Amino acid sequence: EVQLVQSGAEVKKPGESLKISCKGSGYTFTSYWIGWVRQMPGKGLEWMGIIFPGDSETRYSPSFQGQVTISADKSTSTAYLQWSSLRASDTAMYYCARQGVVITQPFDYWGQGTQVTVS
Amino acid sequence: DIQMTQSPSSLSASVGDRVTITCQASQDIARFLNWYQQKPGKAPNLLIYDASNLETGVPSRFSGSGFGTDFTFTIGSLQPEDIATYYCQQSDNLPLTFGGGTKVEIK
Repeated sequence: EVQLVQSGAEVKKPGESLKISCKGSGYTFTSYWIGWVRQMPGKGLEWMGIIFPGDSETRYSPSFQGQVTISADKSTSTAYLQWSSLRASDTAMYYCARQGVVITQPFDYWGQGTQVTVS
Repeated sequence: DIQMTQSPSSLSASVGDRVTITCQASQDIARFLNWYQQKPGKAPNLLIYDASNLETGVPSRFSGSGFGTDFTFTIGSLQPEDIATYYCQQSDNLPLTFGGGTKVEIK
């Protein structure tokens, strides 16, 4: 069974750093793109970027380029999303999702979400 | 960036009604259009991929159609468990983009 399990909720202060995780299981982690999606309170879905764990190729949305870093650890089948200096506007739910072997495929499995609160 | 314009932003319908949501892309995206359902407090769930393909395990009352720039998502007979927000998403070009969502309620 394919599963993406995300790390727990975080409460941070502005200026602090943060790294949240998404652990994949039940499939070949290195063969599928993993993406990150932000959902601000009461708002819609925003695509942040994706990574191909097989070779760590990463693509970012222009809206998030330079604001976050996406990485992956093949040895633990875990993808990460990190901030070096959080802002109150980073308060949101963050989802990881498995895409496909190619970027034109949909997000077919999603993590449960990680709530990040910056206050 | 490809803009995805979804309408309506919300709708109210009765159980058993046929519900239709449209999604328009700002440029040709061929068939690379996906539909997701998000129930309150839950992660999104893939329903339709490549405009018209039903994801495994998704009830057949859900369907999709379209190609190029204009797409339609239909719930053939609305059920109480379909209360959710529905999003379209294009996967033709980076950055991937979502529509603004359609909140579906029961009248």
